[in-house]
Amino acid sequence: DIQMTQSPSTLSASVGDRVTITCRASQSISSWLAWYQQKPGKAPKLLIYKASNLESGVPSRFSGSGSGTEFTLTIFSLQPDDFATYYCQQYNTYPYTFGRGTKLEIK
Amino acid sequence: QLQLQESGPGLVKPSETLSLTCTVSGGSISSSSSYWGWIRQPPGKGLEWIGNIFYSGTTSYNPSLKSRVTISVDTSKSQFSLKLSSVTAADTAVYFCARHPGVPRGPGWVDYWGQGTLVTVSS
Repeated sequence: DIQMTQSPSTLSASVGDRVTITCRASQSISSWLAWYQQKPGKAPKLLIYKASNLESGVPSRFSGSGSGTEFTLTIFSLQPDDFATYYCQQYNTYPYTFGRGTKLEIK
Repeated sequence: QLQLQESGPGLVKPSETLSLTCTVSGGSISSSSSYWGWIRQPPGKGLEWIGNIFYSGTTSYNPSLKSRVTISVDTSKSQFSLKLSSVTAADTAVYFCARHPGVPRGPGWVDYWGQGTLVTVSS
């Protein structure tokens, strides 16, 4: 299985900050990576697909980049609604695998 | 707007079979541009992909669960289902049904999720 390693596991930030979450794959997955946001008690919400494509309706302050084995999700100018847990997922190879998540907390 | 809704028992006894159904509305389950899947999340933990199915019945499963999992589709009812046999407490989780868009190379990311249903394995 392809292992997806997210860092950090927890991130404390303030409204207005820019934050970056990193996801590393144990082998190359080209650009076959998605990012999701999950709030407590809710299903994950798709933010980014194919590493850098913004899902329709997702604010432009979310940005994804990377290819191969290293990927980043950047949130420009954090808003109160952005405090949640973020997951990366590779869909290059079965079984599809997720990172363990990054919990974004209010500082 | 595509909607997915899970249904099934919230409590299953150890060694028995967990059975869940996902009803798809607002779109066709027989679309050639969709794959249908299951993902689970143990309480307080991360996400685990279980498997997916195309409307034709073609399936892919997570090898870690493959010996116990069956995913099937009923296009006449616009439903697909999950069966997980010989469950233990480790199978306690929120189970999400999901849609993968059928991008040219196969199932892609997940763009639609059900709300999730908690299944507890306990006697």
